[in-house]
Amino acid sequence: GAVVSQHPSWVICKSGTSVKIECRSLDFQATTMFWYRQFPKQSLMLMATSNEGSKATYEQGVEKDKFLINHASLTLSTLTVTSAHPEDSSFYICSALPPGAVYNEQFFGPGTRLTVL
Amino acid sequence: GESVGLHLPTLSVQEGDNSIINCAYSNSASDYFIWYKQESGKGPQFIIDIRSNMDKRQGQRVTVLLNKTVKHLSLQIAATQPGDSAVYFCAETRDYNQGGKLIFGQGTELSVKP
Repeated sequence: GAVVSQHPSWVICKSGTSVKIECRSLDFQATTMFWYRQFPKQSLMLMATSNEGSKATYEQGVEKDKFLINHASLTLSTLTVTSAHPEDSSFYICSALPPGAVYNEQFFGPGTRLTVL
Repeated sequence: GESVGLHLPTLSVQEGDNSIINCAYSNSASDYFIWYKQESGKGPQFIIDIRSNMDKRQGQRVTVLLNKTVKHLSLQIAATQPGDSAVYFCAETRDYNQGGKLIFGQGTELSVKP
């Protein structure tokens, strides 16, 4: 089956620093990738939709200057949390949508645990 | 039993029993629904899906029921096993133009006692 990986799986950083999280589709090309954030004991909240070669579409309330998304190739999207603060500590999950796919063909990565001290 | 409050709703069942996990969705325009299983520290895993033109769909040990009248979705797990312990989320899509955008429900934590 289709596999999506994320790197790193966990990261601890100091307040004020920036952190980059990678999302890769390993055996298929993904024209669209999604980034979610999940706080403990809560649901997944969609942050943004990332389309290869174009600017990401952010959900309401998500600061695009703080959460920089780059989808430079059909197999890689990156999320950079700039000037991270403790309230940004969360579980970040990406998913990838193969070309021509709909709904149930969205494959999720294993997530990245970010802890900001 | 099941509890709902500020914390994630939990459902505790005995191994071998059947489990029923419920989900209420908000938009009557949603036309496609998916159940996901999420184990601790991992990403969601697809379980089963159903389109709005159906009331019931069965998979291996799982059944999804859709009641559009009351905007309610349920996931039934037969002969629940310890490996079924996880958080279960329903997700909905609003229309085809969303291009795969999923809206996740609150989630229910299933705990299976051996």
